Amino acid sequence: DVKVTQSSRYLVKRTGEKVFLECVQDMDHENMFWYRQDPGLGLRLIYFSYDVKMKEKGDIPEGYSVSREKKERFSLILESASTNQTSMYLCASMGNYEQYFGPGTRLTVT
Amino acid sequence: DQQVKQNSPSLSVQEGRISILNCDYTNSMFDYFLWYKKYPAEGPTFLISISSIKDKNEDGRFTVFLNKSAKHLSLHIVPSQPGDSAVYFCAASSTSGTYKYIFGTGTRLKVLA
Repeated sequence: DVKVTQSSRYLVKRTGEKVFLECVQDMDHENMFWYRQDPGLGLRLIYFSYDVKMKEKGDIPEGYSVSREKKERFSLILESASTNQTSMYLCASMGNYEQYFGPGTRLTVT
Repeated sequence: DQQVKQNSPSLSVQEGRISILNCDYTNSMFDYFLWYKKYPAEGPTFLISISSIKDKNEDGRFTVFLNKSAKHLSLHIVPSQPGDSAVYFCAASSTSGTYKYIFGTGTRLKVLA
């Protein structure tokens, strides 16, 4: 069975802190994605990666960076958290044109 | 510019009746479409998909219809059950490009017992 895990379900950080969100998949998928979900805006793509050390910007990459050192792990980094980055963050990996999502991390920046 | 639109933010349906969720897209390069279901505090789960070479795909109580000329797809749930109450997202992609999906903004379905 497909498994995508995210390091935290809930996270509270202060403005200006550096924040790491980790995502791990066990399906040997090459493609992995980070989204944020906000009410009325749906899922918006932040970054994606199609191979180890390869990354591409999505639709809203500003204020974020990513790291993919191993195939199974894709990290999202908020260099200096701001209150407008309070959101639900969802990681996905892709196989056979289908994306499998993790449970999400609800991040609150105060 | 919103390439994938779900114009109804919410929908209420009686248990046992049909639920119809709609989705419109603007990019004619999209050739693969999916529906995801999301419960609160969980990640979206895949429901059903359709390729542009088809106009209908069925899986149990769920059927997706694609009208390419109108750039419109719909998800039919028959019969609707209270456990179907969730947010439904449609997504579109172009299989000849990157593996990006473009998601709609979601429709919250409430099935009333």
